[in-house]
Amino acid sequence: QKEVEQNSGPLSVPEGAIASLNCTYSDRGSQSFFWYRQYSGKSPELIMSIYSNGDKEDGRFTAQLNKASQYVSLLIRDSQPSDSATYLCAVTTGGSGNTGKLIFGQGTTLQVKP
Amino acid sequence: DAGVIQSPRHEVTEMGQEVTLRCKPISGHDYLFWYRQTMMRGLELLIYFNNNVPIDDSGMPEDRFSAKMPNASFSTLKIQPSEPRDSAVYFCASSFGRGYTFGSGTRLTVV
Repeated sequence: QKEVEQNSGPLSVPEGAIASLNCTYSDRGSQSFFWYRQYSGKSPELIMSIYSNGDKEDGRFTAQLNKASQYVSLLIRDSQPSDSATYLCAVTTGGSGNTGKLIFGQGTTLQVKP
Repeated sequence: DAGVIQSPRHEVTEMGQEVTLRCKPISGHDYLFWYRQTMMRGLELLIYFNNNVPIDDSGMPEDRFSAKMPNASFSTLKIQPSEPRDSAVYFCASSFGRGYTFGSGTRLTVV
């Protein structure tokens, strides 16, 4: 079992729709969870972090965490063509507090069609 | 804040040659990570340091790979000898507390 799993996609949504990206992780001790966006040929860019169960909203982005189910998700409202990118779920594992090994999923490619 | 700085941006080398990748973390960050990204394997953690000390190098693929962090502002990842299968984008990232910031990466091509 991979430590962090994502559906590779591509996930295609029309402009203005809600895009839902999902991620599961295997280490129950994980304490920090991140979503990164990566445009083709660029480095990963942090867009959301979440540390406790529930929802966290930032603009058009909402991260959701359910530690009991070992599940993290990212919702993008009012999707725009500029949101087309690969979204990487990342989880800290094996460390203490909010740092430690940051392990990435394979990423989900999102395509927003005008 | 100049961010995490990596050099070179691109490196093309012949099989068997030594390759050295460099990273300058964000000032004040106490964690430094080296990742390798390929289409097949995604982003793989190779090694990470805390306060200049290597904490976990279990991701280093083999003895041809080595990494050092002689001080808080500089780290190197060395491949000797290089092989075509080492071709990838190598990222350095640094962190303090929460949040990990990535450099622009080094695209390595071994021919």
